[in-house]
Amino acid sequence: GENVEQHPSTLSVQEGDSAVIKCTYSDSASNYFPWYKQELGKRPQLIIDIRSNVGEKKDQRIAVTLNKTAKHFSLHITETQPEDSAVYFCAAVGVGGGNKLTFGTGTQLKVEL
Amino acid sequence: GAGVSQSPSNKVTEKGKDVELRCDPISGHTALYWYRQSLGQGLEFLIYFQGNSAPDKSGLPSDRFSAERTGGSVSTLTIQRTQQEDSAVYLCASSLVVDRVYGYTFGSGTRLTVV
Repeated sequence: GENVEQHPSTLSVQEGDSAVIKCTYSDSASNYFPWYKQELGKRPQLIIDIRSNVGEKKDQRIAVTLNKTAKHFSLHITETQPEDSAVYFCAAVGVGGGNKLTFGTGTQLKVEL
Repeated sequence: GAGVSQSPSNKVTEKGKDVELRCDPISGHTALYWYRQSLGQGLEFLIYFQGNSAPDKSGLPSDRFSAERTGGSVSTLTIQRTQQEDSAVYLCASSLVVDRVYGYTFGSGTRLTVV
């Protein structure tokens, strides 16, 4: 089955700096890669996703890049703000996985003033 | 409904008791998923329902765990003879799956505490 690894597990940045979170996946047939943000005590919420037919997608201050050859994808947050502080999860859907997401272990992002 | 609804939001039970957790997905979403999140941990897949297909139960940790989805809508996750290691937040999600999967929408979860 699919295996997703995520790094780093914790990330601390100064307000206004950029943050990058990286994930790798094992199933070369995986075709959908969403990112979720989970604030303390709340549900995970989808913030951006990318499909395997594109290499990059942007939405305001967040962007995701996908390298199918290397089987890795990354989340980029620019001009970070305190409200970006949360746990971020990457995930992947493999073709043989029946549409279920395999999640990474999460990155605790802290944006310091 | 407008979102994925889970009940109860909190459940405290004694070790050895059975519990039932309920999930009401977004209307029209064909796929329903259960995940478990232990304190400070990631999201562990439990079970997945898609339309009328047989559920994918590959993530259920033991035979004490079971789930059903009635009428292609509401789902119930049952844990029999609960153990302290079952304590976690149980998250339900639903998604639209047509020719491909779309992003999940998660419910707020049920926080289960086994004492």
